[in-house]
Amino acid sequence: AAGVIQSPRHLIKEKRETATLKCYPIPRHDTVYWYQQGPGQDPQFLISFYEKMQSDKGSIPDRFSAQQFSDYHSELNMSSLELGDSALYFCASSFDRTDTGELFFGEGSRLTVL
Amino acid sequence: GNSVTQMEGPVTLSEEAFLTINCTYTATGYPSLFWYVQYPGEGLQLLLKATKADDKGSNKGFEATYRKETTSFHLEKGSVQVSDSAVYFCALRGNTDKLIFGTGTRLQVFP
Repeated sequence: AAGVIQSPRHLIKEKRETATLKCYPIPRHDTVYWYQQGPGQDPQFLISFYEKMQSDKGSIPDRFSAQQFSDYHSELNMSSLELGDSALYFCASSFDRTDTGELFFGEGSRLTVL
Repeated sequence: GNSVTQMEGPVTLSEEAFLTINCTYTATGYPSLFWYVQYPGEGLQLLLKATKADDKGSNKGFEATYRKETTSFHLEKGSVQVSDSAVYFCALRGNTDKLIFGTGTRLQVFP
């Protein structure tokens, strides 16, 4: 079965550079979520989109922006990177926005900022 | 706001031992509760879920029962294997559609 696809899997950037992460949800899933997981930490919610509109916002820095495109894929853009942005970034998708629905996670994109 | 509290890890067990990982939650209304597992170097996988009080979720020998009276969703397994070594996250999904995770509990099983 198709899963959530994230790219790139690994990314190394210098401080103050820009990075873009991509997420391709499971077909027919209309909702995408982005999470950030620091080393040894729990995943922290960043932002979500439903039908290409932002639906919720969490602890996302102003330096980060995201959008969902007409084919439902999403991109997370991170500018002026800082050392503390080094983390595993997960994308999840869902077709059921009720509280009983499952979120399906990708394998994550590991960003290292040097 | 909604939150999840998990027991601190790591939990270190010998193979075939009994496992309990405690999870309690605070939420408005009646959330759904989930356990996700993260194997080394991998993403998050749903292990089991329960959507209403007294429901029992189960999968791969793991079980958890949604206890509304104690606001708990403890994860149990009768006999762990080395391959169960991973980080386990308790999570809830309530009146906002995002998942809220606990801090995770690392399980290490030795032969």
